[in-house]
Amino acid sequence: LAKTTQPISMDSYEGQEVNITCSHNNIATNDYITWYQQFPSQGPRFIIQGYKTKVTNEVASLFIPADRKSSTLSLPRVSLSDTAVYYCLVGDYGQNFVFGPGTRLSVLP
Amino acid sequence: DTAVSQTPKYLVTQMGNDKSIKCEQNLGHDTMYWYKQDSKKFLKIMFSYNNKELIINETVPNRFSPKSPDKAHLNLHINSLELGDSAVYFCASSQGRTGIFYGYTFGSGTRLTVV
Repeated sequence: LAKTTQPISMDSYEGQEVNITCSHNNIATNDYITWYQQFPSQGPRFIIQGYKTKVTNEVASLFIPADRKSSTLSLPRVSLSDTAVYYCLVGDYGQNFVFGPGTRLSVLP
Repeated sequence: DTAVSQTPKYLVTQMGNDKSIKCEQNLGHDTMYWYKQDSKKFLKIMFSYNNKELIINETVPNRFSPKSPDKAHLNLHINSLELGDSAVYFCASSQGRTGIFYGYTFGSGTRLTVV
């Protein structure tokens, strides 16, 4: 599985856009990039998945450059309820994820 | 109507005891998992069952034994509990054989504390 590196923590204020970048320099051709969100006392929840370029859903956008060695999760206009840990995961079909420590996002009023 | 439910939510027990955690999913998924989240927040897969068949058995002490009576249930039994077993245990399910393509649905976790 491709090793990922993301910031341990980030702070933001309500209403701001938050971008969390993940590095995955040894990503393989068949690997997908997936982001999960985990609130305290809950299991992780799927947010978004992509392979290349840009993916957008009702929750977030995922930007993947052409070389795919990094990806950026973008959360528009965060609120207090977006305070959570965000995990970046890379792997291909047939594998299972190991979730690293993730990025702890704190949204301040 | 909880998609993946696990019980109990909290479990405090003494060293040496045997305990079980139960998990049920009503999503019709074919694969179920047990993950362990340690104090550093790393979430590691322990077991994976696909249609009641064990397909992943990571390096886990044999004191841990999963049981899948049907594809909607995956229970975890732990014998001779040790202090190092204290963690949060998550049950999950996925539509496919792994969680990468279709995504995992996780339960809310069982916080096990061994004293």
